[in-house]
Amino acid sequence: SQQGEEDPQALSIQEGENATMNCSYKTSINNLQWYRQNSGRGLVHLILIRSNEREKHSGRLRVTLDTSKKSSSLLITASRAADTASYFCATGGNAGGTSYGKLTFGQGTILTVHP
Amino acid sequence: DAGVIQSPRHEVTEMGQEVTLRCKPISGHDYLFWYRQTMMRGLELLIYFNNNVPIDDSGMPEDRFSAKMPNASFSTLKIQPSEPRDSAVYFCASSLYLQGIHTGELFFGEGSRLTVL
Repeated sequence: SQQGEEDPQALSIQEGENATMNCSYKTSINNLQWYRQNSGRGLVHLILIRSNEREKHSGRLRVTLDTSKKSSSLLITASRAADTASYFCATGGNAGGTSYGKLTFGQGTILTVHP
Repeated sequence: DAGVIQSPRHEVTEMGQEVTLRCKPISGHDYLFWYRQTMMRGLELLIYFNNNVPIDDSGMPEDRFSAKMPNASFSTLKIQPSEPRDSAVYFCASSLYLQGIHTGELFFGEGSRLTVL
């Protein structure tokens, strides 16, 4: 299984602080994605990092990928109450494989940002 | 674009009844996925289609579950007969593959929350 496992399971911080979530996976990947899910809503894609990339930025998001350790981290800087949500990492496809789009999701990190 | 549209948003039914969940993917997308989310098992991929053809249904839990995609703009997930353990949120997602530059990004609907009593 390529299922990612997020750590921690839950994170509670104050507005303005940074939030770091980690993801580990088991097998080789083409890319790793992070998604956000607000309560009662569908998942929303945040960022994708390819296996040949080590770091990627998007606004207040910073994602790192260490393929030697089979791990990734998502950093949200200067968090806001609106960032309160569950965050999932997702991996899909074997390197050079054909299972395009067949993503496997981790259990998620529940982030709570207090105003 | 309206995004992925799922219906119904909520369904409460009794054990043994047939349940049909519907999905309209984003226009032009060529992949469609059905996921199930529960507290215990997280997000599980049930089945996915490419150009309306089922590619992998290994995640479908048992024969009570079936999925169809009669055309590029519509898919159904049917459970017959339903059981209480089928209670979950069912998500439909779609994506577009561009040769050589695909992103693999999935666009999710808002989900159908199913409760089987």
